[in-house]
Amino acid sequence: AQKVTQAQTEISVVEKEDVTLDCVYETRDTTYYLFWYKQPPSGELVFLIRRNSFDEQNEISGRYSWNFQKSTSSFNFTITASQVVDSAVYFCALSDGYKLSFGAGTTVTVRA
Amino acid sequence: ETGVTQTPRHLVMGMTNKKSLKCEQHLGHNAMYWYKQSAKKPLELMFVYNFKEQTENNSVPSRFSPECPNSSHLFLHLHTLQPEDSALYLCASSQETSGIYEQFFGPGTRLTVL
Repeated sequence: AQKVTQAQTEISVVEKEDVTLDCVYETRDTTYYLFWYKQPPSGELVFLIRRNSFDEQNEISGRYSWNFQKSTSSFNFTITASQVVDSAVYFCALSDGYKLSFGAGTTVTVRA
Repeated sequence: ETGVTQTPRHLVMGMTNKKSLKCEQHLGHNAMYWYKQSAKKPLELMFVYNFKEQTENNSVPSRFSPECPNSSHLFLHLHTLQPEDSALYLCASSQETSGIYEQFFGPGTRLTVL
């Protein structure tokens, strides 16, 4: 069975602060895929990143960065210099190559 | 139209009504999904279609009936729903169902059952 845990339910920060969202996963598969999605108030989930289990290289995309550590089964997401437009629910998800399992989500509120 | 579209965006229905949700993807994908998103709960996968064939029914009550006439269209027919079925229903598509590929989501239908 696979499981994704996002321990932080809600995070509130002031604009320009950095925000790190934790994601811990459980799986027995050696090949798996990790994802992050953003759900703004409009409701649509927006794909942010995919990472496969054999690629532990960290990635940076603009103000977003991801830290994948197999040793701790974590795939954390950092928003640098947060902006009000970053306010959304962020979901971490895990796929075993067949089924996608989502975490409960972390609500990020960025205050001006 | 681009991406994944869903209609209607909002729906209010009584417990005895029959209604349908529609999803259309313009991405050339072969797999389509229905998810239910309730407050305070993780996303729940309901149905999976691959090349128009249903490959997963995640123990969904029969009052929800999916239909996939082709790889671009997906419907969710609703009848005799319960108030606890009120939720955001999200449609998604992906290149195929292997789980390797990211899913692209529509904006959802906010359903309220009175």
